[in-house]
Amino acid sequence: AQSVTQLDSQVPVFEEAPVELRCNYSSSVSVYLFWYVQYPNQGLQLLLKYLSGSTLVKGINGFEAEFNKSQTSFHLRKPSVHISDTAEYFCAVSEPGTGGFKTIFGAGTRLFVKA
Amino acid sequence: SQTIHQWPATLVQPVGSPLSLECTVEGTSNPNLYWYRQAAGRGLQLLFYSVGIGQISSEVPQNLSASRPQDRQFILSSKKLLLSDSGFYLCAWIQIDSPYNEQFFGPGTRLTVL
Repeated sequence: AQSVTQLDSQVPVFEEAPVELRCNYSSSVSVYLFWYVQYPNQGLQLLLKYLSGSTLVKGINGFEAEFNKSQTSFHLRKPSVHISDTAEYFCAVSEPGTGGFKTIFGAGTRLFVKA
Repeated sequence: SQTIHQWPATLVQPVGSPLSLECTVEGTSNPNLYWYRQAAGRGLQLLFYSVGIGQISSEVPQNLSASRPQDRQFILSSKKLLLSDSGFYLCAWIQIDSPYNEQFFGPGTRLTVL
C-alpha cells in the first residue's frame, strides 16, 4: 500500500526567503509524484509532476522539486517566496496504469509568507 | 479547453436535510470522475470514483452516495445530512487515456451542516 507523509503541517517564512516543503512516500511499486497548490476556498492546481527521467522537476510559479529514490522523498523548493505563495500545498503519489484510482494525497502543508 | 464546474459554491444545511452537489466537465469525453472531501486541517479523502455512466465505486462507507447520469455529470447526494458531513467537497477528473494520472480539480463546494 502507498502512503504519503508531509512532514510539516505549517511553514512560516519571510518574503524573499527560500522555502522547502518536505514530502516522503512509501510504495512497493514505481509511482508518479505530484505537488498541488490550493489557494483559500479554491480547488487544487497542479504545480509540477515527476513521471520519469531527470530527478529535478521544474513547475509553475518558480517552484521545483527533486525526486530522491533512495530516500523516497519528493521535496518542493522555491529560492525566493512571495506573499502570493501563501497557500496549502499537497504532495501526492499515483500508481501508473491505475487511472488515478490509487492517487494518495498527503495531509497538506500550509505555507505562510510574511512581509 | 477543458473546464470543470461545481455548484453550489457554498451551502449551509441543517442536520437531517438532503444534499445534492453537482459537478460537470466540459471539453472532454468519457473522463474518470472523482469526489473528494477535505475536512479542516486534513488532506483529501477519496469518496467515490466513476469510470463511466452509471458506474460508481465507493472508497469508504458513509452517509453519502454518488451518481453519474450523464458522461460529464457527477452528483454527490445524501438523504439525511450529519454534522460530520461538513467539509470542502472537491470534484476532479482525469482524461481516460492519460498515462500520467494527472487530476484536474473543480473549485469546490463548502458545506456546513448545522
